[in-house]
Formats: sequence, structure tokens, C-alpha cells
Amino acid sequence: EVQVVESGGGLVQPGRSLRLSCAASGFTFDDFAMHWVRQAPGKGLEWVAYISSSGSSKYYADSLKGRFTISRDNVKNSLYLQMNSLRLEDTALYFCGKSPEVGDRPLGFDIWGQGTTVTVAS
Amino acid sequence: QTVVTQEPSLTVSPGGTVTLTCASSTGAVTSGYFPSWFQQKPGQAARSLIYSTNNKHSWTPARFSGSLLGGKAALTLSGVQPEDEADYYCLIYYGGAQLWVFGGGTKLTVL
Repeated sequence: EVQVVESGGGLVQPGRSLRLSCAASGFTFDDFAMHWVRQAPGKGLEWVAYISSSGSSKYYADSLKGRFTISRDNVKNSLYLQMNSLRLEDTALYFCGKSPEVGDRPLGFDIWGQGTTVTVAS
Repeated sequence: QTVVTQEPSLTVSPGGTVTLTCASSTGAVTSGYFPSWFQQKPGQAARSLIYSTNNKHSWTPARFSGSLLGGKAALTLSGVQPEDEADYYCLIYYGGAQLWVFGGGTKLTVL
């Protein structure tokens, strides 16, 4: 079964850092580009970041550049999101998702997990 | 700042047909924008229905179809079922800027 499981969320103070993880299984992880997406409470979906299958290409939402870093470990079948200088508005449910097809074409994503909650509050 | 616009809300009768659209502030949406569509029911995570304009996943019901219509991406539901009541989001890829943008979502009511 194709599955991704997000973890690492929690309550953090403004200005602090947090690292999210996404454990993938049931597919050949290093064949697929991956994404992070988030959803603030009661709000719509927001794309956060993309990483190519090899990890050589990384793209970010304009509003997050410089604070968030996406990475992957193709040996551990894991995706990560390092979040620095967290702000109140970063409070959201964070999801990871895989590309629908093998490769790095910009096809968006299909399978994603139940998400991990990040709450930024003092 | 790039904005992707969807109808805030639509209402359809059971068994009817409805088309949701997705427009870009930069101009016409083409296949090169690789539009995707997602469904989210209350209290649940969103799930992908359509990718790259009109490609379905194995789990996408046959009554859902994607297309380009009048310079916009479109999601058509034919023979709407009560369980299709949900929020629907489109996602557009902007190759020049190397980023994706979600639309604000359409709340579909089946009544």
C-alpha cells in the first residue's frame, strides 16, 4: 500500500524552529518528486515546497523562501521540512504528497497522509 | 502576486451536472500549467481527483472529469451524488516562477 506518514509537529514559540518528517512506503521513493502543503485552521490549502526525485531541484512558495528548507533522504525513504523563524501565521496542518507519476514533471501530487499539526504560539 | 480564482460556492441538484472553474490572474490557463483538482470533505484530508488537466487517479469516480474551458481549468461533475458535497480546490503550476498556487476553493452544495 502506498503510504506517507507525517510527523514532527507540535507547539513552538514564535521565532523558534521545527523539523517535520514524512516517512514513505509502498512505492519507490527515489523515483518520485515530493511536496509539502499546509492548511491553516478553517482556511484553504497552501502549497509550501517541492523537491525533485534526486533532491537536486527545490522550489518554495514566495512567502516562505529563506525560512523553510525542504530536503529528502532517498536511503531512508524520508522527506523533511526544516522550518525556521516560525511565525504565528505558520500555524497549520502540514501534509507531504508524492507526484502522481515517476519523474520530476510538475504534475502536483496525489497520495498524502493525515498531516502533522504545527502550532506557533507564545 | 499570482492569484488563482475559483467560484466561492455552487449549488447543484442530485443527478445534475455542474462545472467548477479555475482562473489565473496571469491569463489563460493552458495544459502547460498542469492544473490539478482536489476534493476535501469536512474533517477529512483533501484527496486528489484530477492531475495534469484531465488525468484521473485509480480512485477517481468516473463522474468527475477535467478539461480546459474558455481559458480556465474546469472540473465537471456529471450525475452528482449527495456524497460529492465538499470543498474543491484547483492547483496551478507556474513554470516561470517555479511554484504552485492553490485556488481559494469552491464549496459545492448538493441540494
